[in-house]
Amino acid sequence: DGGITQSPKYLFRKEGQNVTLSCEQNLNHDAMYWYRQDPGQGLRLIYYSQIVNDFQKGDIAEGYSVSREKKESFPLTVTSAQKNPTAFYLCASSYAGGITGELFFGEGSRLTVL
Amino acid sequence: QQQVKQSPQSLIVQKGGIPIINCAYENTAFDYFPWYQQFPGKGPALLIAIRPDVSEKKEGRFTISFNKSAKQFSLHIMDSQPGDSATYFCAASNQAGTALIFGKGTTLSVSS
Repeated sequence: DGGITQSPKYLFRKEGQNVTLSCEQNLNHDAMYWYRQDPGQGLRLIYYSQIVNDFQKGDIAEGYSVSREKKESFPLTVTSAQKNPTAFYLCASSYAGGITGELFFGEGSRLTVL
Repeated sequence: QQQVKQSPQSLIVQKGGIPIINCAYENTAFDYFPWYQQFPGKGPALLIAIRPDVSEKKEGRFTISFNKSAKQFSLHIMDSQPGDSATYFCAASNQAGTALIFGKGTTLSVSS
């Protein structure tokens, strides 16, 4: 089945630690995105990538980093510089030039900082 | 200018009612307006979308109404069912812009 796989589903981290969230897609989509979801805040864009080896900051990129070495993969690292990292993180993908097209979302990763 | 304002934040209706969720935008360059549905613990999924060249679009029990001059669009759910209980997000984007800009979401509860 084609889709987007995010892992882990749940993650606990101590303050000061970096963590990496995995996102893999087998939809052959060129564009991939990371959003952060907090209660009552909607979905806020962290980073997005339209092609391999290129990515752009979204509205809340501070404290996060990404890489796009393969078309299928777009991992997100939550660094210790992120002040409030506890949140639900959603990865999505879309067709090339799909900036106005349908986004397909994974099932999310819930990060809790202890 | 990049915001999409969504209301209400939460909504409770009885089975068979017609909940209406409203969104407003400022950026006239936006040309794509989707609605996403999200169930607890899951990622959002596209429900229905509209472009500014039409004023209304229906898919099953879901209808988008679009008012270009007022820069507003809304989602109507006909004959709502308990299974429609979810969080609904409106969004917008433009050809030259970044990714989708989402509203803050509306949590809908349909009681039986």
